[in-house]
Amino acid sequence: DQQVKQNSPSLSVQEGRISILNCDYTNSMFDYFLWYKKYPAEGPTFLISISSIKDKNEDGRFTVFLNKSAKHLSLHIVPSQPGDSAVYFCAAIHTGANNLFFGTGTRLTVIP
Amino acid sequence: EAGVAQSPRYKIIEKRQSVAFWCNPISGHATLYWYQQILGQGPKLLIQFQNNGVVDDSQLPKDRFSAERLKGVDSTLKIQPAKLEDSAVYLCASSPGLGSYNEQFFGPGTRLTVL
Repeated sequence: DQQVKQNSPSLSVQEGRISILNCDYTNSMFDYFLWYKKYPAEGPTFLISISSIKDKNEDGRFTVFLNKSAKHLSLHIVPSQPGDSAVYFCAAIHTGANNLFFGTGTRLTVIP
Repeated sequence: EAGVAQSPRYKIIEKRQSVAFWCNPISGHATLYWYQQILGQGPKLLIQFQNNGVVDDSQLPKDRFSAERLKGVDSTLKIQPAKLEDSAVYLCASSPGLGSYNEQFFGPGTRLTVL
């Protein structure tokens, strides 16, 4: 049962434009959400997170938006850079459960 | 600061053989995680340690998988006997404490191929 879903396996964006990566979840108990970035042959690295008490969190070029009623979150990257090309994983947790659930990932390619 | 170390990086075995993976977390990190990432899927938590105690192993197939974290530092994950469906990347991660997912650091992983 895939509780966190990323329905777009890949996304291509021109350098300088906005990248929008989407994520949906089914478990209403999730109260903390994270995005990880993964380069080939490396482990995922933490990028940005958001608590369910917020609807937006911003860190430099990266902004995560949370829509709890729709059980949907998105990661915006503005402006996109070639170094942002990687696989992005959305993850969610019910903090009382100690179990982090990952989506299947979206491969972002930023074209110079 | 040294990151999470894992070895081997690659392993190819035949089904029904056994295999072991090793992880050395970041110094001082109390929490250690093992994840399984099957091709085309996201990482799935197998087991979580706090120091040398198990916090969560609900998704560990205990009939064939075992893990230990002696002295609360290094950890090993073993599969015995391996099945074809165990082919995956096994990721180790560590964090300073329980719930500190913002500070969860992953190792490069071990890619296991079962023939």
